[in-house]
Amino acid sequence: AIRMTQSPSSFSASTGDRVTITCRASQGISSYLAWYQQKPGKAPKLLIYAASTLQSGVPSRFSGSGSGTDFTLTISCLQSEDFATYYCQQYYSYPPAFGGGTKVEIK
Amino acid sequence: QVQLVQSGSELKKPGASVKVSCKASGYTFTSYAMNWVRQAPGQGLEWMGWINTNTGNPTYAQGFTGRFVFSLDTSVSTAYLQISSLKAEDTAVYYCARGGRRLGELTYFDYWGQGTLVTVSS
Repeated sequence: AIRMTQSPSSFSASTGDRVTITCRASQGISSYLAWYQQKPGKAPKLLIYAASTLQSGVPSRFSGSGSGTDFTLTISCLQSEDFATYYCQQYYSYPPAFGGGTKVEIK
Repeated sequence: QVQLVQSGSELKKPGASVKVSCKASGYTFTSYAMNWVRQAPGQGLEWMGWINTNTGNPTYAQGFTGRFVFSLDTSVSTAYLQISSLKAEDTAVYYCARGGRRLGELTYFDYWGQGTLVTVSS
């Protein structure tokens, strides 16, 4: 099974910051990678699929890049509503697997 | 608009069973896979498996065989997750999530239910 590793597991940032979250796959997954945002007590929300395609309705300050084993999610200008936990997920091979999550907290 | 609405929280004793429902609306139910994802308290997301909404054929992830059953009632566009012989470690939020790609293709999850908290305690 493919393992997904996110880093960092948590960090603090300020509104307006540019932030980057990294996701690494234990083997190549081409561009079969999605990113989700989850707020406390809520269901995850799809942000990006195919590594860099923005889901409809998601603000353009979110972007994704990478292919193969290394991927990044970037928030260009952090807003108050962006403080949440972010997960990556591979859908290249069974079983689809999530990373452990990255919690973005207010500094 | 696409919506997945799940049944409410459940409190069960060890050894009991629970059935969680996920009612879909806003799209053709039999055109997209339905997946189930577990999130234990304070933990990350774990894919449990999926059900082909066209054929009714379920696929279970390792660790979710035997006590876990996915089923459908296509007449009411609803998917079900049944867990039997409940254990304390089954305490979690269970989400249904629609597969975003063509039915049968491994996929990301584009719409999610609101989650159902199942608590197992004596």
